[in-house]
Amino acid sequence: DAGVTQSPTHLIKTRGQQVTLRCSPKSGHDTVSWYQQALGQGPQFIFQYYEEEERQRGNFPDRFSGHQFPNYSSELNVNALLLGDSALYLCASSLKSNSPLHFGNGTRLTVT
Amino acid sequence: GQQVMQIPQYQHVQEGEDFTTYCNSSTTLSNIQWYKQRPGGHPVFLIQLVKSGEVKKQKRLTFQFGEAKKNSSLHITATQTTDVGTYFCAVNTNAGKSTFGDGTTLTVKP
Repeated sequence: DAGVTQSPTHLIKTRGQQVTLRCSPKSGHDTVSWYQQALGQGPQFIFQYYEEEERQRGNFPDRFSGHQFPNYSSELNVNALLLGDSALYLCASSLKSNSPLHFGNGTRLTVT
Repeated sequence: GQQVMQIPQYQHVQEGEDFTTYCNSSTTLSNIQWYKQRPGGHPVFLIQLVKSGEVKKQKRLTFQFGEAKKNSSLHITATQTTDVGTYFCAVNTNAGKSTFGDGTTLTVKP
């Protein structure tokens, strides 16, 4: 039974570029949430997807967008990258909106 | 929205000593979840508390939810080197958003 898988594991981009991160939820889970974790801080909620729609959104600019596919997998897109976007991006899946989160190993994004 | 503050930010203990981290909110919380993140790893769910005054135990770990549902604590008895990591509390809203504290980082000296 595969857990949450994310790709790529590491990524280096230049300011102004665009990036796409991918996530496959744990088998049986239908809800995917994305978090940004800066060094020394707790995960910050970006948004949550359920039934292919964005259901909840945190305090992130429109440069951050996402998508959920019919097989429940999800993508996080960030446009016009800034140095401050450098962080660990975590994907978490759950069965219901308020059930415990199962996190993937994350994608470490470095913007230079 | 609901915010949670964690103290202390860091805790260094000798192996065998006890450890406690606290999670506080100015508002009444619907629930509290605890996660552990090992160095270089990802957060792993430990437990969820829902009821006022609830106490749950997992081996050497004891979790409490305050009577007023505004605070919670995680206590580890007789720490081991395997306990090192950052412990986060999080509150989950009915709408599905989980808000995390900034965590308490535990280091254990053997």
